[in-house]
Formats: sequence, structure tokens, C-alpha cells
Amino acid sequence: GAVVSQHPSRVICKSGTSVKIECRSLDFQATTMFWYRQFPKKSLMLMATSNEGSKATYEQGVEKDKFLINHASLTLSTLTVTSAHPEDSSFYICSAFPATGNSGANVLTFGAGSRLTVL
Amino acid sequence: DAKTTQPPSMDCAEGRAANLPCNHSTISGNEYVYWYRQIHSQGPQYIIHGLKNNETNEMASLIITEDRKSSTLILPHATLRDTAVYYCIVRVARGNKLVFGAGTILRVKS
Repeated sequence: GAVVSQHPSRVICKSGTSVKIECRSLDFQATTMFWYRQFPKKSLMLMATSNEGSKATYEQGVEKDKFLINHASLTLSTLTVTSAHPEDSSFYICSAFPATGNSGANVLTFGAGSRLTVL
Repeated sequence: DAKTTQPPSMDCAEGRAANLPCNHSTISGNEYVYWYRQIHSQGPQYIIHGLKNNETNEMASLIITEDRKSSTLILPHATLRDTAVYYCIVRVARGNKLVFGAGTILRVKS
């Protein structure tokens, strides 16, 4: 089955630094990937849609300059949290559909998530 | 975009069937119903999806009412490892994204 890999699974950084999280589709190509954020005991919140070869589409209220998304290839999307602050501490999860087809029958596969802690 | 309503929590005895309901009364004709679950500190895991007909796979069964306004996910023989948050999601018609609601916390007890 389709596998989405995220790296790192856990990261701790100091306030003011930037952190990059990678999302890879291991056995399929994905023209579109999605980034979610999850706070403790809360549901997943969609942050942005990452489009291969073009700019990401951000959900309302998500700061584009804070959360930089790059989708440079059909198998890799990256999320960079810039100038991180403690309130950016969260669980970040990426997901992807296979590139072939765009119907409701396509199954979105999720990565295992990356837990960011900003000190 | 169609939204879903799920009970916040449910308990189920180990070995018994777990029936998780979901209301999606504003679903459109071309929107699918997806079920995912999330075990603590992991990414969501796909369970099953359907459009109109009932569906079954190795994990679960999905029963969709004839008017498509509600559905039920059935885990036939729940185990302790099935304890998780279960999300019922309706696929946004205009795009690929999935919007998550609050989900149902299923606690399987021995």
C-alpha cells in the first residue's frame, strides 16, 4: 500500500530558530500533499495544500511567512517553521494522494507525524 | 462542504462489535464518506470509505443509509488495540483535502 514518511518524528529547537519537516511519498507520486497541525486532545487542522511545482495554498488564518511549504518534486514536500516560538509547538502531520486520478475514491495516506517542541 | 456529527465518546467491550455512528445530512451526491482512526501520537490510519453502497474490508464494515444522510462504522470484534479516535469525514467535492471534525473516542475495555 501507499506509504508516506515524515522526518524527523520529533524535534526540539530553541525559540527563534527555523525547523524543516520533510514529507515523502515512498512508493507513489503525489502532485498534491497536505499539511495538518494538531494540538493536544484536539482534532487535525488543515494548514495548507502543497502543490508540486507551484505555490502552496494556505487555509485561512495560517501565516504563509511563518510556515513555508515547498513541493519541489513528486515525492517530497517540506514544511519549514520559521522563527519558531513556543506557541508553534505542535504535532505536524502530512498526507498525500497518489498522482493518478482525482476522484473521491482516492485514499489519502498520512505520515506518522512530527512533534515539534520549541523551548 | 458537508459536515459530520459524531458522538464524542463510546465504550465497547472487548470481543464485541463496535458500532460508531456518523451524521452527514448535508452530503452531496458525489461526496464519499471516509473513516480514519488515530491512535495516540500517530498519524491517522485509513479504515474504509464508501459512496452509496455498504462496504466491507479486513478492518471494518461501513453501512450507509439509503438517503446517505448517515453512516455507521462497524468493527466486528473490537480489541484493546482498537482504542482510538475515529473520524468520519466527507470528502470535499471541490478538492482533494479532507477536513476533520472532532471524532469519536472509542474505548475498548476488557
